[in-house]
Amino acid sequence: EVQLVESGGGLVQPGGSLRLSCAASGFSFDKYEMNWVRQAPGKGLEWVAYINSGGSAIHYAQSVRGRFTISRDNAKNSLFLEMNSLRAEDTAVYYCARDGGNWYFDFWGQGTLVSVSS
Amino acid sequence: QSVLTQPPSVSGAPGQRVTISCTGSNSNIGAGHYVHWYQQVPGTAPKLLIYSNTRRPSGVPDRFSGSKSGTSASLAITGLQAEDEADYYCHSYDNELSGGAFGGGTKLTVL
Repeated sequence: EVQLVESGGGLVQPGGSLRLSCAASGFSFDKYEMNWVRQAPGKGLEWVAYINSGGSAIHYAQSVRGRFTISRDNAKNSLFLEMNSLRAEDTAVYYCARDGGNWYFDFWGQGTLVSVSS
Repeated sequence: QSVLTQPPSVSGAPGQRVTISCTGSNSNIGAGHYVHWYQQVPGTAPKLLIYSNTRRPSGVPDRFSGSKSGTSASLAITGLQAEDEADYYCHSYDNELSGGAFGGGTKLTVL
């Protein structure tokens, strides 16, 4: 069974940093592209970042470029999102999602909440 | 403003058919990129409903179908059931963004 479990969310002050993790199991993690998607309270889905299976190709949404860093550790079946210079507008539930190909996300984690507030 | 435009809400009675539109541009849907659809019950993670324009993942009822034409796509739900009440999102790749683009979401109410 495919499972994605996010962790690392919490309350952080504006300008602060946070590192999210996503533990993958039930599939060959090193063969799949992965993404982070977020959802602000009461709002829609927003794609955040993409990384290919080997970690050599990375893309970011304009809203987080230069502040967030996506990475992965295939030996540990883990995906990460390093978030710096956090702003109030980064407050959201962050989901990791497996890319099934052609940019469709076939499995999602349960999400982890990041709250940016003083 | 979302790159892909969806109606904020649609509604229908049990048993009826509803459609949800997704309008894009020549940098996403019109560029030939696939359209995917997700269903999200509030408080839960999104679930893949339709991928690659028309394909259904295993376990998704055939009451759900997708189509694409030009710069737009549609999700159709027939035989509406109470359990279909949820938010629905379209999704595609966008050349200008060099990444994914979601529609703003459509809330389906089953009357």
